[in-house]
Order: sequence, then C-alpha cells, then structure tokens
Amino acid sequence: GEDVEQSLFLSVREGDSSVINCTYTDSSSTYLYWYKQEPGAGLQLLTYIFSNMDMKQDQRLTVLLNKKDKHLSLRIADTQTGDSAIYFCAEIHDNDYKLSFGAGTTVTVRA
Amino acid sequence: DAMVIQNPRYQVTQFGKPVTLSCSQTLNHNVMYWYQQKSSQAPKLLFHYYDKDFNNEADTPDNFQSRRPNTSFCFLDIRSPGLGDAAMYLCATSSKGLRQPQHFGDGTRLSIL
Repeated sequence: GEDVEQSLFLSVREGDSSVINCTYTDSSSTYLYWYKQEPGAGLQLLTYIFSNMDMKQDQRLTVLLNKKDKHLSLRIADTQTGDSAIYFCAEIHDNDYKLSFGAGTTVTVRA
Repeated sequence: DAMVIQNPRYQVTQFGKPVTLSCSQTLNHNVMYWYQQKSSQAPKLLFHYYDKDFNNEADTPDNFQSRRPNTSFCFLDIRSPGLGDAAMYLCATSSKGLRQPQHFGDGTRLSIL
C-alpha cells in the first residue's frame, strides 16, 4: 500500500477556500511537498514544509502540519477556476532522494 | 522560462519499435529523475542519476534504460515498447543534497500503436 494517503476528490465553489488533506508515514525527519498537475502537464512544485514546522504560508496557500496525527493539509484561499487540477502530496525521508506520492486529489472549481 | 524541458511533448511509436525521450535542464542540477505516470495515478520513479551514478528502481522493467551524457541532458530509452508502456513520462531534477525539491518538466505523452 501507499505510504502517503489523500482524499481523491474535492469540489469547491469559486471564491471559497479549498482544503486538501494528506496523511504520511512515521518518520522523525521528513520533508513534505505539495505539487499541482494541470491536465496534460507536468508537476508544479507549490510549496514544501519540514516536519519540525507547524505552518507555512505563501500568498493564497497555507500548509498546516499536525505531527501527532501525521496529517498535512493544503488550504487554498479564494479558489479560482485556474486552481482546478490534481494536487499531489509527497514526502521524502531524511536519508533518501525518492519522492513518495499520494494518489492525488482532483480539485474541481465550479462557478 | 522553462527550466526542465522535455521533447517531444507527444510521441507515437509502433509496438516493439525502440523510442527515445529526451530531457534537458538549465538549472545545473546534479540529480535527474525519470518517472512514468499512467492515467489517474501518481508518478512512479523508474530511475535517477546522481551526477553520473545511475540508480535503477528494483521494479523498473529491463526494457527501460537511461543515458546521461552530460549534466544538462538525460535520455529515456525504451527498447521494445509494449502496449502497457503507453503513459506520460516525466523528467525531474534536483540539486545536490538530500530532500531537495524536485522540479518537473511538462512530460512526454507516449502512445503505442
């Protein structure tokens, strides 16, 4: 089974906030990433957080990390139609180069 | 400006006919990766180069090989493509050091006739 788990679908109204959730494996030292993939395109790095942080904010994006529950979330404020995409949560362990991806959350923004 | 460039964006080949996909980067990154992504799935790592050191994933089929002639370029060779190899192939790069973020190209969509 996958080490990183995500909810598969999210539908949100334009202008509302989106929250995409992810759980990850037990590791004392991990970087956690959010990537966005639009149809037919590659993966765009949105943001990342180290596991000793609780929160990171970058413009409309807020990443929250609950280390106790190994839960990561990505909040997109004022969601726009251009935010419709698949969002992948991924982790890299401390001694590795390999990204472990979740299955991806398909976000659909409706007018 | 694109920093990880994959060519072509779309590639069609025949069953069993060798095909090469290319990736170039302007980031001067030490590490280059090749991923296979099938529809509605997460990318799956095939192999990566740390400088000239090649690292193959245990479950990558022998049909898939890679070359990295210099820092900027990396190629994915599929010796005898089967129908199951139709997928999006993604190249990524990262700088030296563990846990560095990976930067992806736009991918090559491979179709097998």
